[in-house]
Amino acid sequence: ELKVEQNPLFLSMQEGKNYTIYCNYSTTSDRLYWYRQDPGKSLESLFVLLSNGAVKQEGRLMASLDTKARLSTLHITAAVHDLSATYFCAVDMRSGGSNYKLTFGKGTLLTVNP
Amino acid sequence: ETGVTQTPRHLVMGMTNKKSLKCEQHLGHNAMYWYKQSAKKPLELMFVYNFKEQTENNSVPSRFSPECPNSSHLFLHLHTLQPEDSALYLCASSQGATGPYEQYFGPGTRLTVT
Repeated sequence: ELKVEQNPLFLSMQEGKNYTIYCNYSTTSDRLYWYRQDPGKSLESLFVLLSNGAVKQEGRLMASLDTKARLSTLHITAAVHDLSATYFCAVDMRSGGSNYKLTFGKGTLLTVNP
Repeated sequence: ETGVTQTPRHLVMGMTNKKSLKCEQHLGHNAMYWYKQSAKKPLELMFVYNFKEQTENNSVPSRFSPECPNSSHLFLHLHTLQPEDSALYLCASSQGATGPYEQYFGPGTRLTVT
């Protein structure tokens, strides 16, 4: 069974600082997603990473994928308060039948303090 | 309406009540999903429908009964729920369940069972 582990689960950081969230997964997968969720809201897709070495950037967020290490990172540069949210990674792979299945990490609650 | 919509957004029900959650997607997708998001747990996949056919039931108790009358609509019928069923229920859709297609999530229904 695929396991997806994120760390840290809680992250409190100062505005202007940099930090990285890590996502480890236990078996090979077809693609990896990063989502953002604001309190009481749905999941917003941030990045889709398809292949080894993939790197994507949007604003102050940059995601990367190392399929050999089964590791993805979400790097936050010069954090601002608006980035406060819960961030999930999710791994997509074919399950026992013919369906693809998304398996989520527990999420990282990020709080950016002024 | 665009994307994936869910109604109601909030629901409070007693353990003996019967209620239904509704999801509608306006993306022309062929697969629809129900997820449960409980506090301090990763998102859990409940059901998958592909071209109106149920293709996955992730060991969900029978007090949850899904219905998919067409590719655009998905229901979750609830009866004799337990307090531990209180959670955020998210609906998602994708181009198809048998490929690694990105899933698009609705805003969720916050369910409280009293």
